[in-house]
This record gives sequence, C-alpha cells and structure tokens, in this order.
Amino acid sequence: GDSVTQMEGPVTLSEEAFLTINCTYTATGYPSLFWYVQYPGEGLQLLLKATKADDKGSNKGFEATYRKETTSFHLEKGSVQVSDSAVYFCALSDPQAGTALIFGKGTTLSVSS
Amino acid sequence: KAGVTQTPRYLIKTRGQQVTLSCSPISGHRSVSWYQQTPGQGLQFLFEYFSETQRNKGNFPGRFSGRQFSNSRSEMNVSTLELGDSALYLCASSPRTVGGYTFGSGTRLTVV
Repeated sequence: GDSVTQMEGPVTLSEEAFLTINCTYTATGYPSLFWYVQYPGEGLQLLLKATKADDKGSNKGFEATYRKETTSFHLEKGSVQVSDSAVYFCALSDPQAGTALIFGKGTTLSVSS
Repeated sequence: KAGVTQTPRYLIKTRGQQVTLSCSPISGHRSVSWYQQTPGQGLQFLFEYFSETQRNKGNFPGRFSGRQFSNSRSEMNVSTLELGDSALYLCASSPRTVGGYTFGSGTRLTVV
C-alpha cells in the first residue's frame, strides 16, 4: 500500500541555519504531496503542496519539489527562525488508491537563538 | 470564513464508556476525514466521508464508527473505550474528494 517515510528527528538548528527534512513516498498512482506543520497544542496547518511531478510548492520561505524519479518531496528553508520550531509532517493523498491523507511519522524541529 | 470546528476540545472518559466527537467542516466542503494521533503510532487515518457516504476506512476495529449528515457535519463514535484510545482526534475537510485538506484543532480524548 501507499506509504510515506520521513527522516527521524529531532532536528536541532541554530537560527538562520539551512533546513532540509527528507521525505520519500511509495504510491500506486499519481499522488498529491503535502507538508503539514503542527505547533504545540494545535492541529495541523497546511504548509505547502504539489499535485504533479516537478511542481514546486512554497510558502513562508519553505519549499519542496515533487520528484517522481526519486519519489521524494524534501522540505527546505534557507534560513530558519525560532518561530519555525514545530513538528513537520509529510503526507500524500492518492486518488487511485482511494485514500485520504497518509502521513509520515513527523519530524520535530527545534531552532535556538 | 470559519475554519473546521471540532467539539469538544477536551474529554475525559472511563474505560468501557462510549464517546461521540463532532466536526463541522468549512462551509461548502463536502469531504470530511478523521485521523487519530498518538505518540506511538503517529497520525493514522480513520475514515473519510463524502456527501454522507463513507468512501474509505482505515485499519481500526469496529468500535470506531462515523457518519456524515446532509449539512456535511460529521460525527465519530467510539464504543467500549480502552485506555489505548487516548489520543488527539483530528478532523479535516476538503471541497473535493481528494486534496486540499484543512484541519480542525482536534479533540483530546483521555480514557482513564
């Protein structure tokens, strides 16, 4: 079945450092890919998405490119801030499989000043 | 535009009891899906409804059930609660059958 694998955390960075969180997926069809962020005590917020191969999603300085050839959707940000500290989830939805969202395990990011 | 509203925000129940959680989607959204979040298992898909029909169901026992009403509001019910059902239950709505999911803040269920 479909699945998402993302790098284990926690990831600890200093302010203004470069961030990469790796995400790879397995899907039978042509999924849409998402990154969600969860701040403490809150629900999930959509950070960015891409619906087809080579699409780049971007938002708030974060970006990720849908790479079909490597089945990847890595999250990057050039300069992180303390306020970016949160848990980040990679997810897919696959119309062919008839599923809603399938999530990775989540990666905790901690940014210190 | 109001977001996805989940009620109640917090709930404490005793083992063996049953519980009903409510989700009001964004106006115009016809798809509602439910997820269970625990520290050990992460985010797991429970079920999805579209226009009052269950489209898909995750790998959960029959104690977990749900429904969707004609106004797209959805409820999920858990019967015979177990300690392991303690979790954050998240609801998401979408205007289409796939994609564009907006989440509510969740209901934190504690089973004692």
